[in-house]
Amino acid sequence: RKEVEQDPGPFNVPEGATVAFNCTYSNSASQSFFWYRQDCRKEPKLLMSVYSSGNEDGRFTAQLNRASQYISLLIRDSKLSDSATYLCVVTPGSARQLTFGSGTQLTVLP
Amino acid sequence: EPEVTQTPSHQVTQMGQEVILHCVPISNHLYFYWYRQILGQKVEFLVSFYNNEISEKSEIFDDQFSVERPDGSNFTLKIRSTKLEDSAMYFCASAGTGARTGELFFGEGSRLTVL
Repeated sequence: RKEVEQDPGPFNVPEGATVAFNCTYSNSASQSFFWYRQDCRKEPKLLMSVYSSGNEDGRFTAQLNRASQYISLLIRDSKLSDSATYLCVVTPGSARQLTFGSGTQLTVLP
Repeated sequence: EPEVTQTPSHQVTQMGQEVILHCVPISNHLYFYWYRQILGQKVEFLVSFYNNEISEKSEIFDDQFSVERPDGSNFTLKIRSTKLEDSAMYFCASAGTGARTGELFFGEGSRLTVL
Protein backbone atom coordinates (compact mmCIF):
# COMPACT_ATOMS: atom_id res chain seq x y z
CA ARG A 1 0.00 0.00 0.00
CA LYS A 2 1.33 3.46 -0.89
CA GLU A 3 2.24 5.68 2.04
CA VAL A 4 0.16 8.57 0.76
CA GLU A 5 -2.52 7.96 -1.85
CA GLN A 6 -4.33 10.55 -3.91
CA ASP A 7 -6.70 10.44 -6.83
CA PRO A 8 -4.43 11.63 -9.66
CA GLY A 9 -7.27 13.29 -11.58
CA PRO A 10 -7.17 15.29 -13.71
CA PHE A 11 -10.02 17.39 -12.40
CA ASN A 12 -11.27 19.86 -15.01
CA VAL A 13 -13.74 22.31 -13.51
CA PRO A 14 -15.26 25.62 -14.63
CA GLU A 15 -14.39 28.86 -12.90
CA GLY A 16 -16.46 29.34 -9.79
CA ALA A 17 -16.92 25.64 -9.14
CA THR A 18 -16.27 23.91 -5.85
CA VAL A 19 -13.86 21.00 -5.99
CA ALA A 20 -12.72 18.52 -3.36
CA PHE A 21 -9.60 16.38 -3.19
CA ASN A 22 -9.07 13.40 -0.97
CA CYS A 23 -6.01 11.70 0.38
CA THR A 24 -5.34 8.67 2.57
CA TYR A 25 -2.16 7.82 4.44
CA SER A 26 -0.97 4.47 5.71
CA ASN A 27 1.26 5.35 8.67
CA SER A 28 -0.92 5.80 11.73
CA ALA A 29 2.04 7.41 13.53
CA SER A 30 1.99 10.35 11.11
CA GLN A 31 1.83 13.55 13.06
CA SER A 32 1.68 16.50 10.73
CA PHE A 33 -0.33 16.98 7.58
CA PHE A 34 -0.18 19.50 4.79
CA TRP A 35 -1.39 20.43 1.39
CA TYR A 36 1.28 21.70 -0.95
CA ARG A 37 0.70 23.11 -4.40
CA GLN A 38 2.98 22.51 -7.37
CA ASP A 39 2.72 24.40 -10.63
CA CYS A 40 3.98 22.72 -13.77
CA ARG A 41 7.77 22.17 -13.56
CA LYS A 42 8.02 24.34 -10.46
CA GLU A 43 8.83 23.71 -6.82
CA PRO A 44 6.22 22.61 -4.26
CA LYS A 45 4.85 25.45 -2.17
CA LEU A 46 3.03 25.11 1.11
CA LEU A 47 -0.67 25.81 0.67
CA MET A 48 -1.86 25.07 4.18
CA SER A 49 -1.35 22.92 7.21
CA VAL A 50 -4.12 20.51 8.18
CA TYR A 51 -5.31 20.34 11.76
CA SER A 52 -7.53 17.80 13.46
CA SER A 53 -10.16 20.44 14.10
CA GLY A 54 -10.20 21.39 10.42
CA ASN A 55 -9.05 24.74 9.19
CA GLU A 56 -9.96 27.30 6.62
CA ASP A 57 -7.89 29.82 4.70
CA GLY A 58 -10.03 31.97 2.46
CA ARG A 59 -11.52 29.74 -0.23
CA PHE A 60 -9.59 26.69 0.98
CA THR A 61 -10.75 24.30 3.70
CA ALA A 62 -8.74 21.33 4.94
CA GLN A 63 -10.01 18.48 7.08
CA LEU A 64 -8.25 15.64 8.84
CA ASN A 65 -9.81 12.42 10.08
CA ARG A 66 -7.16 10.56 12.09
CA ALA A 67 -9.39 7.54 12.73
CA SER A 68 -9.86 6.98 9.00
CA GLN A 69 -6.37 8.30 8.11
CA TYR A 70 -7.99 10.60 5.63
CA ILE A 71 -7.28 14.20 4.60
CA SER A 72 -9.33 16.43 2.36
CA LEU A 73 -9.02 19.78 0.65
CA LEU A 74 -12.00 21.80 -0.52
CA ILE A 75 -11.60 24.72 -2.90
CA ARG A 76 -14.58 27.03 -3.27
CA ASP A 77 -15.16 29.53 -6.08
CA SER A 78 -12.31 28.15 -8.19
CA LYS A 79 -10.10 30.65 -10.01
CA LEU A 80 -8.06 30.11 -13.16
CA SER A 81 -4.98 30.63 -10.98
CA ASP A 82 -5.90 27.60 -8.87
CA SER A 83 -4.85 25.35 -11.78
CA ALA A 84 -1.98 23.28 -10.40
CA THR A 85 -1.17 19.91 -8.89
CA TYR A 86 -2.19 19.59 -5.26
CA LEU A 87 0.10 17.44 -3.15
CA CYS A 88 -1.02 15.71 0.03
CA VAL A 89 1.92 15.58 2.42
CA VAL A 90 2.47 13.90 5.78
CA THR A 91 5.35 13.68 8.20
CA PRO A 92 5.97 10.21 9.64
CA GLY A 93 6.08 10.39 13.42
CA SER A 94 8.33 13.08 14.85
CA ALA A 95 10.59 13.17 11.81
CA ARG A 96 10.70 16.34 9.80
CA GLN A 97 10.98 14.65 6.45
CA LEU A 98 7.96 14.94 4.20
CA THR A 99 6.22 12.06 2.47
CA PHE A 100 4.45 13.28 -0.64
CA GLY A 101 1.50 11.86 -2.45
CA SER A 102 1.64 11.73 -6.24
CA GLY A 103 -0.62 14.73 -6.49
CA THR A 104 -4.02 15.58 -7.93
CA GLN A 105 -4.03 17.71 -11.04
CA LEU A 106 -6.58 20.51 -11.22
CA THR A 107 -7.39 22.59 -14.28
CA VAL A 108 -9.85 25.44 -13.86
CA LEU A 109 -11.45 26.31 -17.20
CA PRO A 110 -12.73 29.76 -18.22
CA GLU B 1 10.68 37.71 0.79
CA PRO B 2 13.59 35.41 1.68
CA GLU B 3 13.98 32.43 -0.60
CA VAL B 4 16.00 29.30 -1.18
CA THR B 5 18.23 29.63 -4.23
CA GLN B 6 19.64 26.76 -6.25
CA THR B 7 22.29 26.53 -8.95
CA PRO B 8 22.59 25.43 -11.64
CA SER B 9 19.03 25.51 -12.89
CA HIS B 10 19.86 22.79 -15.41
CA GLN B 11 22.89 20.54 -15.73
CA VAL B 12 23.59 17.99 -18.43
CA THR B 13 26.25 15.41 -17.68
CA GLN B 14 27.60 12.13 -18.97
CA MET B 15 26.96 8.90 -17.09
CA GLY B 16 29.71 8.25 -14.57
CA GLN B 17 30.56 11.90 -14.05
CA GLU B 18 30.42 13.67 -10.69
CA VAL B 19 27.86 16.38 -10.18
CA ILE B 20 27.54 18.96 -7.43
CA LEU B 21 24.29 20.82 -6.95
CA HIS B 22 24.35 24.01 -4.94
CA CYS B 23 21.81 25.52 -2.59
CA VAL B 24 21.67 28.63 -0.46
CA PRO B 25 18.98 28.09 2.19
CA ILE B 26 17.11 30.91 3.89
CA SER B 27 19.61 32.58 6.18
CA ASN B 28 18.15 31.95 9.62
CA HIS B 29 16.96 28.42 8.88
CA LEU B 30 18.60 25.46 10.58
CA TYR B 31 17.05 22.43 8.85
CA PHE B 32 18.08 21.59 5.31
CA TYR B 33 16.81 18.99 2.90
CA TRP B 34 17.24 17.54 -0.54
CA TYR B 35 14.33 16.03 -2.41
CA ARG B 36 14.12 14.80 -5.98
CA GLN B 37 11.35 14.42 -8.50
CA ILE B 38 11.73 12.21 -11.54
CA LEU B 39 9.67 13.57 -14.42
CA GLY B 40 6.03 12.62 -14.00
CA GLN B 41 6.57 11.07 -10.59
CA LYS B 42 6.15 12.16 -7.00
CA VAL B 43 8.53 14.21 -4.92
CA GLU B 44 10.85 11.90 -2.95
CA PHE B 45 12.85 12.61 0.19
CA LEU B 46 16.60 12.12 -0.06
CA VAL B 47 18.23 13.55 3.05
CA SER B 48 17.83 15.99 5.90
CA PHE B 49 20.65 17.88 7.61
CA TYR B 50 20.72 19.59 10.98
CA ASN B 51 23.47 20.80 13.26
CA ASN B 52 26.13 19.99 10.67
CA GLU B 53 25.19 16.37 10.25
CA ILE B 54 22.76 14.16 8.42
CA SER B 55 19.68 13.60 10.57
CA GLU B 56 17.73 11.30 8.25
CA LYS B 57 18.20 9.76 4.84
CA SER B 58 16.15 7.59 2.54
CA GLU B 59 17.04 4.38 0.73
CA ILE B 60 17.66 6.44 -2.39
CA PHE B 61 20.50 8.27 -0.65
CA ASP B 62 23.14 5.59 -1.10
CA ASP B 63 26.93 5.81 -1.08
CA GLN B 64 26.91 7.69 -4.37
CA PHE B 65 25.32 10.66 -2.66
CA SER B 66 26.79 13.05 -0.12
CA VAL B 67 25.87 16.42 1.34
CA GLU B 68 28.00 19.17 2.72
CA ARG B 69 27.62 22.53 4.31
CA PRO B 70 31.04 23.93 3.42
CA ASP B 71 30.42 27.35 4.90
CA GLY B 72 27.69 29.25 6.72
CA SER B 73 25.48 29.68 3.70
CA ASN B 74 25.86 26.90 1.15
CA PHE B 75 24.41 23.38 1.23
CA THR B 76 25.55 21.05 -1.52
CA LEU B 77 24.47 17.69 -2.89
CA LYS B 78 27.14 15.63 -4.61
CA ILE B 79 26.48 12.64 -6.81
CA ARG B 80 29.78 10.81 -7.26
CA SER B 81 29.16 8.73 -10.35
CA THR B 82 25.92 9.62 -12.05
CA LYS B 83 23.60 7.00 -13.53
CA LEU B 84 20.88 7.45 -16.13
CA GLU B 85 18.26 6.98 -13.42
CA ASP B 86 19.62 9.98 -11.50
CA SER B 87 18.02 12.22 -14.11
CA ALA B 88 15.48 14.24 -12.13
CA MET B 89 14.68 17.63 -10.68
CA TYR B 90 16.52 18.07 -7.39
CA PHE B 91 14.91 20.39 -4.88
CA CYS B 92 16.67 21.90 -1.90
CA ALA B 93 14.50 22.99 1.01
CA SER B 94 14.98 24.62 4.37
CA ALA B 95 12.97 25.17 7.53
CA GLY B 96 13.31 27.32 10.60
CA THR B 97 13.01 26.16 14.20
CA GLY B 98 9.85 28.15 14.69
CA ALA B 99 8.09 26.49 11.78
CA ARG B 100 5.67 23.64 12.26
CA THR B 101 7.30 20.35 11.33
CA GLY B 102 6.82 19.93 7.61
CA GLU B 103 6.59 23.60 6.71
CA LEU B 104 9.43 23.68 4.24
CA PHE B 105 10.53 26.32 1.79
CA PHE B 106 11.69 24.85 -1.50
CA GLY B 107 14.09 26.25 -4.05
CA GLU B 108 13.17 26.31 -7.72
CA GLY B 109 15.14 23.15 -8.33
CA SER B 110 18.10 21.97 -10.35
CA ARG B 111 17.23 19.79 -13.32
CA LEU B 112 19.83 17.08 -13.85
CA THR B 113 19.97 15.25 -17.15
CA VAL B 114 22.32 12.26 -17.34
CA LEU B 115 23.17 11.05 -20.84
